[in-house]
Amino acid sequence: EPEVTQTPSHQVTQMGQEVILRCVPISNHLYFYWYRQILGQKVEFLVSFYNNEISEKSEIFDDQFSVERPDGSNFTLKIRSTKLEDSAMYFCASRLQETQYFGPGTRLLVL
Amino acid sequence: AQRVTQPEKLLSVFKGAPVELKCNYSYSGSPELFWYVQYSRQRLQLLLRHISRESIKGFTADLNKGETSFHLKKPFAQEEDSAMYYCALSGADKLIFGTGTRLQVFP
Repeated sequence: EPEVTQTPSHQVTQMGQEVILRCVPISNHLYFYWYRQILGQKVEFLVSFYNNEISEKSEIFDDQFSVERPDGSNFTLKIRSTKLEDSAMYFCASRLQETQYFGPGTRLLVL
Repeated sequence: AQRVTQPEKLLSVFKGAPVELKCNYSYSGSPELFWYVQYSRQRLQLLLRHISRESIKGFTADLNKGETSFHLKKPFAQEEDSAMYYCALSGADKLIFGTGTRLQVFP
């Protein structure tokens, strides 16, 4: 069964550095999402993406964040200048119809 | 405001006991509700959708619009049900999650 994949599984970075988190959604899916989960907190929506543009974004998704679908398979989340509070698990998801399918997540640690 | 509340952080039961994981929601409109499960070291995966009204792994959930609830139930818990369970609401193309309930099933 096809699955959403994410790389890397873990990323450690210094505050102020740029990071790119990568996702490969399920191939025939059309809607793509990023969520994050700070340790001990709930899973929070960041952004949704359809037809090569952002369809909705949360208050968390400020100017430091961007998303891109650079080719037909990858979907990336870039954090331009990381802050300590960006440390979290980042989940990518995709869907064709109603159900969102999640990737295994990337654990980001900002030092 | 759109919100999902799961009042229990942890629910511990013995194998064979009934389980009910509570979920209440706040949403103006017709909600779509889901239960996702996360087993240890695995990804979030869909357990149930209220629209499908099916039973998966013995779990059922009924949408009660009057009480704005979508509680997850299983009559006889199994050890392999131990996991983190998240109730989620689909609002305008995003999922709004509750804080999750950890279910521990003891032998």
